[in-house]
Amino acid sequence: GENVEQHPSTLSVQEGDSAVIKCTYSDSASNYFPWYKQELGKGPQLIIDIRSNVGEKKDQRIAVTLNKTAKHFSLHITETQPEDSAVYFCAACYDYKLSFGAGTTVTVRA
Amino acid sequence: GAVVSQHPSWVICKSGTSVKIECRSLDFQATTMFWYRQFPKQSLMLMATSNEGSKATYEQGVEKDKFLINHASLTLSTLTVTSAHPEDSSFYICSARDGGGGRDIQYFGAGTRLSVL
Repeated sequence: GENVEQHPSTLSVQEGDSAVIKCTYSDSASNYFPWYKQELGKGPQLIIDIRSNVGEKKDQRIAVTLNKTAKHFSLHITETQPEDSAVYFCAACYDYKLSFGAGTTVTVRA
Repeated sequence: GAVVSQHPSWVICKSGTSVKIECRSLDFQATTMFWYRQFPKQSLMLMATSNEGSKATYEQGVEKDKFLINHASLTLSTLTVTSAHPEDSSFYICSARDGGGGRDIQYFGAGTRLSVL
């Protein structure tokens, strides 16, 4: 089955700086890669996604890149704000099933 | 984005009782829904795939007689934890797959925190 690894497990950044989270996947058949933000006691919220036929996607302060050859994808958050503090999960999807990374706890220091 | 409603958000029950959790897609039809379990500070683990009008598909190690899933309509799936025990205490989260209009996105409910005494 699919195995998704996510790094780092924790990330502390100064407000206004950038945050980068990296994930690798094992199954080359995976073709959809969403990123979710989860706040304490809540369900995951989709923040951005990318499909295997695209190398990069941007939505305001959030961007995602995908390298199919190397089987890795990354989340970039620019100009971080305190409300960006949360746990972020990457996922790889094959045949409609999501396999999640272990999560990254992001703390934005004011 | 699309909305998935999950109820209840929090439930406490006595050991040996059964608990039902509902998951509804509010503005799209979901032929496929998923049930996850999440322990504190851990990732989401897929328990089962719920297919409308057919039997659910369970992941390895998940007891189908313990976690009953019913997907009777295109907007509703239910998970019943039968004869709950303290080790079943966890955060249960559902998601619904929106596959209409060329989309293929999973939206998550807010989760249900189950505490078994």
